[in-house]
Amino acid sequence: EAGVTQSPTHLIKTRGQQATLRCSPISGHTSVYWYQQALGLGLQFLLWYDEGEERNRGNFPPRFSGRQFPNYSSELNVNALELEDSALYLCASSSAGTGGNEQFFGPGTRLTVL
Amino acid sequence: GNSVTQMEGPVTLSEEAFLTINCTYTATGYPSLFWYVQYPGEGLQLLLKATKADDKGSNKGFEATYRKETTSFHLEKGSVQVSDSAVYFCALRLNAGGTSYGKLTFGQGTILTVHP
Repeated sequence: EAGVTQSPTHLIKTRGQQATLRCSPISGHTSVYWYQQALGLGLQFLLWYDEGEERNRGNFPPRFSGRQFPNYSSELNVNALELEDSALYLCASSSAGTGGNEQFFGPGTRLTVL
Repeated sequence: GNSVTQMEGPVTLSEEAFLTINCTYTATGYPSLFWYVQYPGEGLQLLLKATKADDKGSNKGFEATYRKETTSFHLEKGSVQVSDSAVYFCALRLNAGGTSYGKLTFGQGTILTVHP
């Protein structure tokens, strides 16, 4: 069974541009989560989508947004990129949003903002 | 709010040594607790989990027990291998609703290096 996949693997942008990151969950999973892993700042929760709806949002500015498609894949958009947006962006999926269900992570997209 | 605190790293051990990585948490509700491992250049893999007090999670020789009285979930392994070198993250997730519902809250991570 295929795991969580993310594309692209690496993305290089300049300040002020927009970045789009994509995630495909494990087959049968309806929940998708996005996390940011910035150097020295650990893993921070960004967004949670379930059944096409945004269920929860972390403490990030509105220029971080996303959506979930009918096939449960998801897209993270970062507008007006800033240097501090450089990070590894991890996507995870789970079978439902309840607490005990583990989240399975993809390999991440490395975003570099120059 | 909810938070997870892990022991400061990095941790350097010789092969076959005993490993303990301390993890304590603060939560407004009743969390599930997790240990994730991140190998160099890869995403996170779930190592083990526990969903209620006194549960013990175990996998690949690693163990952790959910201690509600001490709000802890320490990771242990009796004999580490070079292949265990990685970054280990302790995390919690609330089991009920609220603003923290659904998301994983992570500790800062502990870098483990095991030498032959």
